[in-house]
Amino acid sequence: AQSVAQPEDQVNVAEGNPLTVKCTYSVSGNPYLFWYVQYPNRGLQFLLKYITGDNLVKGSYGFEAEFNKSQTSFHLKKPSALVSDSALYFCAVRDYRAAGNKLTFGGGTRVLVKP
Amino acid sequence: ETGVTQTPRHLVMGMTNKKSLKCEQHLGHNAMYWYKQSAKKPLELMFVYSLEERVENNSVPSRFSPECPNSSHLFLHLHTLQPEDSALYLCASSQAGAGPTEAFFGQGTRLTVV
Repeated sequence: AQSVAQPEDQVNVAEGNPLTVKCTYSVSGNPYLFWYVQYPNRGLQFLLKYITGDNLVKGSYGFEAEFNKSQTSFHLKKPSALVSDSALYFCAVRDYRAAGNKLTFGGGTRVLVKP
Repeated sequence: ETGVTQTPRHLVMGMTNKKSLKCEQHLGHNAMYWYKQSAKKPLELMFVYSLEERVENNSVPSRFSPECPNSSHLFLHLHTLQPEDSALYLCASSQAGAGPTEAFFGQGTRLTVV
């Protein structure tokens, strides 16, 4: 079975400071990992994904994520946070063997960037 | 605009009503999903359709009935719902069997059961 954990319900950061949102995963086989962002009253928007290769993945809006196999982690990062980055962030893992290739999501982390 | 459109955006219904949520994708995908998002459980996978066949039903009560008439459309029929069913219902699509492609989500339908 696959699972994703986001240990922090909320992350507070000052504008201009680095932002990190943590994610750990459990999956048999090679993981396909994703980050999504959700703004209020909106659906989920894809940010980035890790498939294979370079452990540092770059995505939309200046976000990047670092895959660490030994720690089974896929933390989302942004060097300099903006107030507009305030949103709900979800980490997800895809089980490529399951019918329909479903995504399993973590519980989400709310990010609040203060001016 | 993600290429996945959900209607209506908001729905208020009584416990004895029957209503349907609609999802349409213009991405040429072959898999579609229904998720429930509530305060208690942020993202619960409800149903998975792959190539128009239901391949997963995560112990969802029978008052929720999905329908996938073709690869572009997905419905969620609702009847005799309970107040605890109030939530944001999200539809998503992806290309199953084509490697690790991401899923695309609609804007969601905010459902309130009164």
